[in-house]
Amino acid sequence: AQSVAQPEDQVNVAEGNPLTVKCTYSVSGNPYLFWYVQYPNRGLQFLLKYITGDNLVKGSYGFEAEFNKSQTSFHLKKPSALVSDSALYFCAVRAPGGSARQLTFGSGTQLTVLP
Amino acid sequence: SQTIHQWPATLVQPVGSPLSLECTVEGTSNPNLYWYRQAAGRGLQLLFYSVGIGQISSEVPQNLSASRPQDRQFILSSKKLLLSDSGFYLCAWRTPGATYEQYFGPGTRLTVT
Repeated sequence: AQSVAQPEDQVNVAEGNPLTVKCTYSVSGNPYLFWYVQYPNRGLQFLLKYITGDNLVKGSYGFEAEFNKSQTSFHLKKPSALVSDSALYFCAVRAPGGSARQLTFGSGTQLTVLP
Repeated sequence: SQTIHQWPATLVQPVGSPLSLECTVEGTSNPNLYWYRQAAGRGLQLLFYSVGIGQISSEVPQNLSASRPQDRQFILSSKKLLLSDSGFYLCAWRTPGATYEQYFGPGTRLTVT
């Protein structure tokens, strides 16, 4: 079985400061990992993914994520937070060779960037 | 480019009434399609997924059903709504055999009164 944990329900950061949203996973084999963002009353938007290759993955809106196999983590980062980054963030995992059922999502982390 | 539509955007229905939510995808063929429910603005619960016309897999036993009458059309239904069916319903698609991310529609906010 595959699972993903987002240990923080809420993350607050001041505008201009770096932000980190944490994600850890459990899966058999090499994972496929994803980050999504959701603004209020909107669908989820795909930010970035790790499939293979470089452990540092760059995505939309200046976000990046670092895959750490030894720590089974895939934390989302941004060097300088914007107020407009305030949203709900979801991490997701898929095991290789999985069925069409595919992605398992974390419970979400609410990011608030304070002006 | 691909786009995904959901309607209606919002819906208020009384308990015991029927439900029909529709999702359509444009710009792709034979997508995998998914219905999720999000309660209280948090975690996503996969309800149904489909790998082709008429092929529906149910993840959680419940008051809902899904159908895929056309390649790019996915419908979520209920014969009699319960209060607990309230939530934010999201449709998603992915291209099978390609990259693994799913792409989500704008969602339908359902309130059962």
